[in-house]
Amino acid sequence: KQEVTQIPAALSVPEGENLVLNCSFTDSAIYNLQWFRQDPGKGLTSLLLIQSSQREQTSGRLNASLDKSSGRSTLYIAASQPGDSATYLCAVTMDSSYKLIFGSGTRLLVRP
Amino acid sequence: DTEVTQTPKHLVMGMTNKKSLKCEQHMGHRAMYWYKQKAKKPPELMFVYSYEKLSINESVPSRFSPECPNSSLLNLHLHALQPEDSALYLCASSKSGTGASGANVLTFGAGSRLTVL
Repeated sequence: KQEVTQIPAALSVPEGENLVLNCSFTDSAIYNLQWFRQDPGKGLTSLLLIQSSQREQTSGRLNASLDKSSGRSTLYIAASQPGDSATYLCAVTMDSSYKLIFGSGTRLLVRP
Repeated sequence: DTEVTQTPKHLVMGMTNKKSLKCEQHMGHRAMYWYKQKAKKPPELMFVYSYEKLSINESVPSRFSPECPNSSLLNLHLHALQPEDSALYLCASSKSGTGASGANVLTFGAGSRLTVL
């Protein structure tokens, strides 16, 4: 059974810092991996999708990498801003059925 | 229109009530999803509809009854719920319910927060 873990569970950094969020999964035979952002009490916003054949994806200040063989993905946020404060979730799919298996998230606080 | 709209935003119901949650999208997406999220927990998949047909039911109790009247609408009918069913219910959609590369980027609604008394 696939298990997705995110470390750390919570992170507080000063504005302007570069930071890395980690996601690990136990079964490397994933179909793809996504990173989402969730603001308190709100829905999820898809940030980046990495197909199993890809190594990384970039969008603005965000860069996500994928190492299937080691079962790890990282989300790099450059020059963090208070508006980046949210919970960041990673999720994997194991096949084309589109069932997302989520990690428990990292709650990020960027202090002004 | 690039949004998934969920109504109502908040719902309080007793255990004997019958209510419905509604979800609507006009992006031409053919897959729609219901997720349940408890406080400080990740979302858990409940149902997937692909081309208006139920394709995944994650062993959800029958007191939750999904319905997809057309490709733009998804309902979740609620009956005889328990207090432990209180949660944020998230609807999502994606381009396709099949394995086209990159097609499963999900767009989520803001959620309906359900409280069962």
